Amino acid sequence: KNQVEQSPQSLIILEGKNCTLQCNYTVSPFSNLRWYKQDTGRGPVSLTIMTFSENTKSNGRYTATLDADTKQSSLHITASQLSDSASYICVVSHYKLSFGAGTTVTVRA
Amino acid sequence: GAGVSQTPSNKVTEKGKYVELRCDPISGHTALYWYRQSLGQGPEFLIYFQGTGAADDSGLPNDRFFAVRPEGSVSTLKIQRTERGDSAVYLCASSFLPGDSYEQYFGPGTRLTVT
Repeated sequence: KNQVEQSPQSLIILEGKNCTLQCNYTVSPFSNLRWYKQDTGRGPVSLTIMTFSENTKSNGRYTATLDADTKQSSLHITASQLSDSASYICVVSHYKLSFGAGTTVTVRA
Repeated sequence: GAGVSQTPSNKVTEKGKYVELRCDPISGHTALYWYRQSLGQGPEFLIYFQGTGAADDSGLPNDRFFAVRPEGSVSTLKIQRTERGDSAVYLCASSFLPGDSYEQYFGPGTRLTVT
């Protein structure tokens, strides 16, 4: 069973709208939780990284939250742009990285 | 500045053949990681090197898979007797040092197709 579960599997939003992606994990203990953006045909690129003691971290229009008690994280995208179309992967790190399957976001004009 | 590069970008091979995939990490990065990503899935850890030695190869699926990093820089992932199930994107990443505190930078991947 994957230790990092993401939902939804995919979503479509209109340009300018907001969306929130969910990540539940069972990896314990863990050192940090990361969100990556992966464009089609490219390697993942880091968006945010949070230690277990942090609750929120922002990177431009991307805001990640972490609740270490419930083992949940979310990634909120504000005022989406066409370039936000990508797969967003939640990664939990403890010595090595455990990847979720990703949420595919499609932003339409 | 050069990031992580991987060659070839695409590789098509016949079942049973041998393939080599190359990774050039960021200069000065001592840790190098190999991952495999199947369609619709997140990357899956295969092996990581600290310098020239394989520090953890627990993710290699079987003994057909082998990786080397002889000079502590470039790494080659080698797959013998390829099977159709080996078809995936093979990602390489590097970091300045191993461990959770250091960011891993990914290459664009090599898409392997076994026919």
